[in-house]
Amino acid sequence: EAQVTQNPRYLITVTGKKLTVTCSQNMNHEYMSWYRQDPGLGLRQIYYSMNVEVTDKGDVPEGYKVSRKEKRNFPLILESPSPNQTSLYFCASRGRDNYGYTFGSGTRLTVV
Amino acid sequence: QKEVEQNSGPLSVPEGAIASLNCTYSDRGSQSFFWYRQYSGKSPELIMSIYSNGDKEDGRFTAQLNKASQYVSLLIRDSQPSDSATYLCAVLPYGNKLVFGAGTILRVKS
Repeated sequence: EAQVTQNPRYLITVTGKKLTVTCSQNMNHEYMSWYRQDPGLGLRQIYYSMNVEVTDKGDVPEGYKVSRKEKRNFPLILESPSPNQTSLYFCASRGRDNYGYTFGSGTRLTVV
Repeated sequence: QKEVEQNSGPLSVPEGAIASLNCTYSDRGSQSFFWYRQYSGKSPELIMSIYSNGDKEDGRFTAQLNKASQYVSLLIRDSQPSDSATYLCAVLPYGNKLVFGAGTILRVKS
C-alpha cells in the first residue's frame, strides 16, 4: 500500500530533551515536506526537500532540523524542544510530476 | 494579507443541498490549486486539483478556478453527513512551497 508513515503518533516530552520524529514513504517520491498545524493558523511548512541531500526552509523553520540521506526517509529533529513547539505535525510527499501531496497520519507532540 | 484566505465557517447545509466553499489567493503567479478534506484528528486527504481556468468535475465535487479574480471554489453536490469536515484550500505559487488556507468547517445536517 502506498503510504507515508510517521512515528510516533503521540509524544509527550519535557523542555530541552532532544527528539526525532521519523517519516518514511514507499512511493519513490522526490519531494517531502514537514508541516505543523495549529488552531486558527492552519498548516504551515517547516522544511521541505526536493531530493536526497537537498533541503530548504519553509515558513517556520526555527527550532527544527531535517536531513534527507535516503530518498524514502525525512526525519524531523527538535534539538531542544520548547512548549511553543507543542503542535500536530504532518509529513507529506509527492512525486516529481504529481503536485498533490500525500500526508502521513500525523504526530501529536506535547512539550511540557 | 494572508497568502491563501478562506472563511473559517462553520458552513452549515442540510443533507442533499449544495455546499459552496471559497478561497482567494494573493500570488498571481500561482499555477496549481488543491482542495483537501480533513476529518477531526486525521490527516488531510487530497480530493481535487485544478490547474486551468474553468470547472473540473469529479463525482459530486466540482472545483472552479478564476485566475483573473484569484479565486478558487469547491462545490459539493448532494451533501451528505459524511462530508462534514474541514476543507483546506492549497495553492502552489512557485517551487515546492504548497501554501494552505486555515480551512473552512463544513457541517451537513441530516
